[in-house]
Amino acid sequence: DAMVIQNPRYQVTQFGKPVTLSCSQTLNHNVMYWYQQKSSQAPKLLFHYYDKDFNNEADTPDNFQSRRPNTSFCFLDIRSPGLGDAAMYLCATSRDFVFGQGDGYTFGSGTRLTVV
Amino acid sequence: AQSVTQLDSQVPVFEEAPVELRCNYSSSVSVYLFWYVQYPNQGLQLLLKYLSGSTLVKGINGFEAEFNKSQTSFHLRKPSVHISDTAEYFCAAMKPAGTYKYIFGTGTRLKVLA
Repeated sequence: DAMVIQNPRYQVTQFGKPVTLSCSQTLNHNVMYWYQQKSSQAPKLLFHYYDKDFNNEADTPDNFQSRRPNTSFCFLDIRSPGLGDAAMYLCATSRDFVFGQGDGYTFGSGTRLTVV
Repeated sequence: AQSVTQLDSQVPVFEEAPVELRCNYSSSVSVYLFWYVQYPNQGLQLLLKYLSGSTLVKGINGFEAEFNKSQTSFHLRKPSVHISDTAEYFCAAMKPAGTYKYIFGTGTRLKVLA
């Protein structure tokens, strides 16, 4: 089945130690997104890629970076994780940039990041 | 500015009882509306969406929602819930054109009791 896969499901990292979260998709969608979801809160968009074009949300901290080496893969890098970065990180894809047809996203299962 | 409000943070309901999860949106322009479900430690799964046309939208797992423009609401309903419906439910809005961004509500935790 075509899907969005996030690895690992659970990640524990040390305070200040760089960490990378991975997302892959078999849908051949043009757009990939990273969301941060803290406990009991709505998902918050960090950034997205439309093909190779990177788009950062204005309030995304500089500590968060992303890479998309090809259509299928997208990575979230947290350069110096703080305790406040502990959250569920959700990857999502969409066929296109403009929701003319009202397509929803396809979400991965998420990576739960713990910072110790 | 657009916003989505889910007034109920938690809704407990007994198994086989009906449930309604409330969602109100504010927008000066037309919007697309969505309901997503999130099971524990999972990503979000699309339940249903309203784009245009019939105001009653049917989704997966027996859920339906009704778009009410005059009340700017998009409440989610199910006539008979199961234990397996226990999850977090998010209402979201999106402008029809020129943007890809969801505006999510803060979620409603549905707990189905035996």
